[in-house]
Amino acid sequence: GAVVSQHPSWVICKSGTSVKIECRSLDFQATTMFWYRQFPKQSLMLMATSNEGSKATYEQGVEKDKFLINHASLTLSTLTVTSAHPEDSSFYICSGTGLGSYEQYFGPGTRLTVT
Amino acid sequence: GQQVMQIPQYQHVQEGEDFTTYCNSSTTLSNIQWYKQRPGGHPVFLIQLVKSGEVKKQKRLTFQFGEAKKNSSLHITATQTTDVGTYFCAGENTGGFKTIFGAGTRLFVKA
Repeated sequence: GAVVSQHPSWVICKSGTSVKIECRSLDFQATTMFWYRQFPKQSLMLMATSNEGSKATYEQGVEKDKFLINHASLTLSTLTVTSAHPEDSSFYICSGTGLGSYEQYFGPGTRLTVT
Repeated sequence: GQQVMQIPQYQHVQEGEDFTTYCNSSTTLSNIQWYKQRPGGHPVFLIQLVKSGEVKKQKRLTFQFGEAKKNSSLHITATQTTDVGTYFCAGENTGGFKTIFGAGTRLFVKA
């Protein structure tokens, strides 16, 4: 199957700082990428859907000015958590799907801890 | 590192036939979740299993969590065309720090 990488795999940052998470499709062109967050023992929650070259579509309740998503190329999408607070601490996972494909490939996730 | 294997990759069934997808983890899991992705959509949460040996049912869907909390299965009885999609399992490790998704099983149902 296709491979999606995420970087970093885990990050600790101080409250008020910004953190950027990268999601890369290594061997396919991801025309659509999804960003999720997950709290321990809870289900995945879709944050936004991004199509290459377009503005991301955010789910209700997700602050677009706080969670900046950029999908500038077919192999890279980034999620920037701006002015992070402890309540932003979570597991963030991305997935990508290619043009005309129903296959969805998940990244390994990024564990964010805000102190 | 921890791996979650899911089989089969694809399954074609005739409407009315049963379907099962299996998920196996290389390590003991804290819990396992199942998601369904309809063609063109994103994965939607179906259920979470936490207890060893747990069995849960949702209408025609039966979910099981193994005694060792390392494997799980999803069984659909008498499939319908609306069951078409990809079913993912996702296992959370015992430390609660990471969730690993299986590769998914894509179900095709022929009317």
